[in-house]
Amino acid sequence: DGGITQSPKYLFRKEGQNVTLSCEQNLNHDAMYWYRQDPGQGLRLIYYSQIVNDFQKGDIAEGYSVSREKKESFPLTVTSAQKNPTAFYLCASSTGQGGVNYGYTFGSGTRLTVV
Amino acid sequence: AQSVTQLDSQVPVFEEAPVELRCNYSSSVSVYLFWYVQYPNQGLQLLLKYLSGSTLVKSINGFEAEFNKSQTSFHLRKPSVHISDTAEYFCAAKKTSYDKVIFGPGTSLSVIP
Repeated sequence: DGGITQSPKYLFRKEGQNVTLSCEQNLNHDAMYWYRQDPGQGLRLIYYSQIVNDFQKGDIAEGYSVSREKKESFPLTVTSAQKNPTAFYLCASSTGQGGVNYGYTFGSGTRLTVV
Repeated sequence: AQSVTQLDSQVPVFEEAPVELRCNYSSSVSVYLFWYVQYPNQGLQLLLKYLSGSTLVKSINGFEAEFNKSQTSFHLRKPSVHISDTAEYFCAAKKTSYDKVIFGPGTSLSVIP
């Protein structure tokens, strides 16, 4: 079945470390997105990509980086510059032009904790 | 800028009682509207959507939402809730097919046995 796979489900990071969250989709979707979710704050957009080798900053891009070398993959790196990285991270994808008919398809999320 | 408001952050309701989760969006010439549901420690799932046509849209598990252009609202309703409906519900909107989806802050629905 087609879908989005996020890994790992749980991730622990030490202070000063960079970590990379994986997001893979087999839906043949053009656009992919990364959101951060904190309790009581809903979803905040970190980065998005509408086509391979191109991506744009969202509302809270500082301290994060992404790449889009393949249509299927959109990994997110949480760098040491992100001072408060503990959160639930969600990856999503949609068809071209924003996917009106189908909205977004979400992965099951990665919970990142700083230890 | 387009925005989505969900006035109720938490809604407790007894099992088998009706529920309404409110959603308002900033006005626009055209708008596409969505409701997503998130169960604990999971991603969001599309519950229902309004694109055009009939203003009343329904999901397969008994939820329905009505697009009201004059009131810029897209409230979610269910006549009788079950324990399994306990989840976070997000209203979302987009202005055109080229825009990103804008999410509301979410409403936590707790169904009490």
